[in-house]
Amino acid sequence: AQTVTQSQPEMSVQEAETVTLSCTYDTSENNYYLFWYKQPPSRQMILVIRQEAYKQQNATENRFSVNFQKAAKSFSLKISDSQLGDTAMYFCAFMATGANSKLTFGKGITLSVRP
Amino acid sequence: NAGVTQTPKFRVLKTGQSMTLLCAQDMNHEYMYWYRQDPGMGLRLIHYSVGEGTTAKGEVPDGYNVSRLKKQNFLLGLESAAPSQTSVYFCASSYAWGLGTDTQYFGPGTRLTVL
Repeated sequence: AQTVTQSQPEMSVQEAETVTLSCTYDTSENNYYLFWYKQPPSRQMILVIRQEAYKQQNATENRFSVNFQKAAKSFSLKISDSQLGDTAMYFCAFMATGANSKLTFGKGITLSVRP
Repeated sequence: NAGVTQTPKFRVLKTGQSMTLLCAQDMNHEYMYWYRQDPGMGLRLIHYSVGEGTTAKGEVPDGYNVSRLKKQNFLLGLESAAPSQTSVYFCASSYAWGLGTDTQYFGPGTRLTVL
């Protein structure tokens, strides 16, 4: 069974600064995907970024990038030039590539961006 | 293109009452999912469907039933609501599963309170 751990329940960052959200996971699978989802106060779950485990290059999406350390089973999200609209809960999630694999979520971290 | 929609957005039930949550997607996705989100627990999979006419149990299926009579719709039923089912319910859909095009897209959620 897979587990996803987000050990920081909440973080705060000043607008325009950079913040890193941590995530670790445990699995015996070799092929899998990792995701970061954002949930703003509107409750909508929005995909921020995804990473394929077989890719060594870290995924980037505009101001969002990840630091994927496969050996350490670590998958952190870096938000550069933080904006007020980045205030949200962020969930790390894992999914193996096999049939019937499930999306396993961490407990989430609440990020507040201060003006 | 509305994506994934959920009906209703809010609902209050008394213990023992029944209700059905409706999820609809217009992306021609094969796979659909129902999750519940509780404080400090992240999202947990209740039931899922890999195609029209199919359903399967997820992590926390007890007390819920589902049906997928049409490809675009996935219904979640509570036959006899209990206070432990107070939660926010999310529906999601994806084109495939574990094949690289399996990003799950989420609906806006339904907040259910059982008194």
